[in-house]
Amino acid sequence: LAKTTQPISMDSYEGQEVNITCSHNNIATNDYITWYQQFPSQGPRFIIQGYKTKVTNEVASLFIPADRKSSTLSLPRVSLSDTAVYYCLVGDGGYNNNDMRFGAGTRLTVKP
Amino acid sequence: EPEVTQTPSHQVTQMGQEVILRCVPISNHLYFYWYRQILGQKVEFLVSFYNNEISEKSEIFDDQFSVERPDGSNFTLKIRSTKLEDSAMYFCASSGEGEREYYEQYFGPGTRLTVT
Repeated sequence: LAKTTQPISMDSYEGQEVNITCSHNNIATNDYITWYQQFPSQGPRFIIQGYKTKVTNEVASLFIPADRKSSTLSLPRVSLSDTAVYYCLVGDGGYNNNDMRFGAGTRLTVKP
Repeated sequence: EPEVTQTPSHQVTQMGQEVILRCVPISNHLYFYWYRQILGQKVEFLVSFYNNEISEKSEIFDDQFSVERPDGSNFTLKIRSTKLEDSAMYFCASSGEGEREYYEQYFGPGTRLTVT
């Protein structure tokens, strides 16, 4: 499994766009990039997944450069309720390693 | 929207006792998982289960742990002889079978296990 590196914490203010970058220099050809969100005392929640270029859904956008060695989760116009821990995971969907390893994640704090 | 459910929400047990944590995955999912999260720490993978057998387990999942899918809906985690360090939030998750669906896992609300 490719190892990921994210900032430990980030602060933002309501209404701002937040970009969280994850480094995954050893990403393999078959690996997908997936982001999860976790609120205190809750299970992680899937946000978005991508393989290359850009993916957008109703919650976030995911930008992946051509070399795929990093990815950026973009949260538009954050609110206080976006305060959570955000995890970046990289893996091949079970073909070679049938597990999902969470890192420490990025603790995002949105201030009023 | 379909969801994963877990019972109980909180379990208190004495050291050395056996506990069974229960989960009902999303009905059409085929992969099932258990994770744990010690307070203030990261989410740790324990085990994945597919086609009625363990497909992967971590170093945490030793002989004290076992999983079972006793019927078509429940998925259980058993800890045979609990230790103080087993105190944690235990999350069940499930996902579909497709390559991309594997990483789109749906997590339950968790069971907080307290070992005294």
